[in-house]
Amino acid sequence: GDSVTQMEGPVTLSEEAFLTINCTYTATGYPSLFWYVQYPGEGLQLLLKATKADDKGSNKGFEATYRKETTSFHLEKGSVQVSDSAVYFCALRASGGSYIPTFGRGTSLIVHP
Amino acid sequence: DTAVSQTPKYLVTQMGNDKSIKCEQNLGHDTMYWYKQDSKKFLKIMFSYNNKELIINETVPNRFSPKSPDKAHLNLHINSLELGDSAVYFCASSQVNFGGAEAFFGQGTRLTVV
Repeated sequence: GDSVTQMEGPVTLSEEAFLTINCTYTATGYPSLFWYVQYPGEGLQLLLKATKADDKGSNKGFEATYRKETTSFHLEKGSVQVSDSAVYFCALRASGGSYIPTFGRGTSLIVHP
Repeated sequence: DTAVSQTPKYLVTQMGNDKSIKCEQNLGHDTMYWYKQDSKKFLKIMFSYNNKELIINETVPNRFSPKSPDKAHLNLHINSLELGDSAVYFCASSQVNFGGAEAFFGQGTRLTVV
């Protein structure tokens, strides 16, 4: 079945450091890929998405590129802020079948001033 | 206006009780979901439901049941609550038959069974 693998956290960075959170996936066909963010005490919200190979999703300084050849969708940000501290989830939705979103285990990011 | 709303936000109850969590979405979406998030933040799909099909994760105990009075609501009923049911439960919705559509989540219900 479909699956998403994320790097384990927590990831701890100083403010203005470069961020990479790795995500790889297994799916048949051509899934859509997503990054969600969960701030403490809140639900998940969409951060960015890409629906086909080589697409780049971007939002709030975060970027991720859909790489079909490496089945990856790594999240990057050039300069993190304390307010970026949250849990980040990589997810996919299959291009057919039940369309149920499948999530990775989440990566906690802690940014220190 | 809140897109996906759940009530209650917190629920503390004793073992053996029966409880319900309500969920409503005002986005006009076709499909709604229930996820369980454990203490390590892992999200597990419990149910996926649209007006045509209910998909149940076979690992979910049959003490859990979804009830959908209409397309905008998907409530979660839990019978004979157990300590291991303590978790945060999230309702979500999205458009069906479009894999590129993202899911919208409620704020979550933190269930504590004592």
